[in-house]
Amino acid sequence: DTAVSQTPKYLVTQMGNDKSIKCEQNLGHDTMYWYKQDSKKFLKIMFSYNNKELIINETVPNRFSPKSPDKAHLNLHINSLELGDSAVYFCASSLGTSGNNEQFFGPGTRLTVL
Amino acid sequence: DQQVKQNSPSLSVQEGRISILNCDYTNSMFDYFLWYKKYPAEGPTFLISISSIKDKNEDGRFTVFLNKSAKHLSLHIVPSQPGDSAVYFCAARGFTSGTYKYIFGTGTRLKVLA
Repeated sequence: DTAVSQTPKYLVTQMGNDKSIKCEQNLGHDTMYWYKQDSKKFLKIMFSYNNKELIINETVPNRFSPKSPDKAHLNLHINSLELGDSAVYFCASSLGTSGNNEQFFGPGTRLTVL
Repeated sequence: DQQVKQNSPSLSVQEGRISILNCDYTNSMFDYFLWYKKYPAEGPTFLISISSIKDKNEDGRFTVFLNKSAKHLSLHIVPSQPGDSAVYFCAARGFTSGTYKYIFGTGTRLKVLA
């Protein structure tokens, strides 16, 4: 019974394409996140939503647009993909934004841009 | 500027011995720290946390020590088991722009040898 799920698990695409990664959590959490783990293994926050409202928006190119249709879903749409977008993208969720709640991570989506 | 550093990319330990994973941080305003464990092709999973008002937190075989003056924390696993072989990330909580955010280290790959 998966808590945080992401689709697809692997995504290989050409430069310039537009792609989406979907994330769903069945934990009843209010807060969801997108992280990017690059080739140097840094795991960096990109976005965070609380009750469908954007609360964290790091310095990310505006080609990246998160969308939260409801509390249980946070999708990531990427326009005009570039080589440097190749990374593993992790979705996560937590009970709230107080920071004392651990985050539950999805299995990751490995994006390869050719 | 990496505010959370795990300077050892890898560590090998014999089964039954103690594993010590280290993490250094630069921001004295960080007030909550977590350790996550990650197996290949899976997302990180929460392991143990510690508040900055404590210097030690123990949970079974896992103990986290915090040295605030040195801005250093460590995770001790004793006794180490082959199933502990994974990548371990430390994360530190900061409060910026009205919200909490976690900064992750780059991880240490632990290999426990049978």
